[in-house]
Amino acid sequence: DQQVKQNSPSLSVQEGRISILNCDYTNSMFDYFLWYKKYPAEGPTFLISISSIKDKNEDGRFTVFLNKSAKHLSLHIVPSQPGDSAVYFCAARDNYGQNFVFGPGTRLSVLP
Amino acid sequence: EPEVTQTPSHQVTQMGQEVILRCVPISNHLYFYWYRQILGQKVEFLVSFYNNEISEKSEIFDDQFSVERPDGSNFTLKIRSTKLEDSAMYFCASSELHSNQPQHFGDGTRLSIL
Repeated sequence: DQQVKQNSPSLSVQEGRISILNCDYTNSMFDYFLWYKKYPAEGPTFLISISSIKDKNEDGRFTVFLNKSAKHLSLHIVPSQPGDSAVYFCAARDNYGQNFVFGPGTRLSVLP
Repeated sequence: EPEVTQTPSHQVTQMGQEVILRCVPISNHLYFYWYRQILGQKVEFLVSFYNNEISEKSEIFDDQFSVERPDGSNFTLKIRSTKLEDSAMYFCASSELHSNQPQHFGDGTRLSIL
């Protein structure tokens, strides 16, 4: 049951360029979405969130876009830095539940 | 910045033994969670806890599992009789409120069942 999908297991980007990480979901009841970054041997770290009443949220170098009709969200990182190299998880929750459903993650490598 | 802390960082246990994983959530947070991540798989929700009781649990959280907030700071996950397939990273998380609040994660406990 893959309610949250991240179809790219890995992505490599040159330093200074834009990184675009994609996430698709199937449950139309999801109304709150988050992106987490995870380094090896550490827990997921919250990056940015978006609720379904918005289609864009920006925080510094990170922007999340939500397309509800396509059930798709994306995380843009610009400019990408080597320290951004990590696994990025998309997570979603519906308003009735308290738990987040995580995608499988995308490993981002930013090359100097 | 306040953080969620988990101990131990690595726990090795014989199959069939009981194990307790410990977490100290962020002090003003009211909601607490346990997740697990089996090697190579995605992060999976186990249970959420609020006001001293379980508020939601997944199918994974069967009778072998229990959670407790024994005092004002600790939040524990107990696995009563461990199985090989319980080997995973276990993450504790907490959030200040429930609605539209990000959950803050600890660095996890790696549980290895022999």
